[in-house]
Amino acid sequence: DAGVIQSPRHEVTEMGQEVTLRCKPISGHDYLFWYRQTMMRGLELLIYFNNNVPIDDSGMPEDRFSAKMPNASFSTLKIQPSEPRDSAVYFCASSSYRKGGTDTQYFGPGTRLTVL
Amino acid sequence: LAKTTQPISMDSYEGQEVNITCSHNNIATNDYITWYQQFPSQGPRFIIQGYKTKVTNEVASLFIPADRKSSTLSLPRVSLSDTAVYYCLVGQYNFNKFYFGSGTKLNVKP
Repeated sequence: DAGVIQSPRHEVTEMGQEVTLRCKPISGHDYLFWYRQTMMRGLELLIYFNNNVPIDDSGMPEDRFSAKMPNASFSTLKIQPSEPRDSAVYFCASSSYRKGGTDTQYFGPGTRLTVL
Repeated sequence: LAKTTQPISMDSYEGQEVNITCSHNNIATNDYITWYQQFPSQGPRFIIQGYKTKVTNEVASLFIPADRKSSTLSLPRVSLSDTAVYYCLVGQYNFNKFYFGSGTKLNVKP
């Protein structure tokens, strides 16, 4: 398996521009997570989906952030408009339900976003 | 929400055994304990998971006392490549609010 795929790996944009991050989860996984990592705040869970349905988006910082999962093999995280404080590494992770325990989350390589 | 407390950093030398302890005083009955490892510029990677007593795999061992209010990740004979940040997580299988915390930055010296 190719693992979780994220694109782009690096994104540099100017304040006010729209940014779209993409994620392809591992085939067969029914959970998908979006995280943000910064030096100041560490690794934060933004939102997660189960079977393409958003379950908990309480970690999404503002209305400028939105996430979608139109099908089991694709998800996007959009920031509109972007601000310099959105600069961070954004990780996508996926997992599958396993009865009797928590499931391993498989992380993608991340997208390093820089907003100038 | 069961948050965790870990040392911010630890130093070790190659070939030594490293034990990283995590406190989770508010752990719930259905919570499992999971440890992840993160190298620079990479996403976290699963190391080990347990519910009680001891779990061992090819990478590490996890010790959980009877009260489950803490856990210890044990890395045998570390090498330079084990330099990374180690996160302790507590959560239920329905994925309610996994909290990664700050993790423990392990620095292995030659």
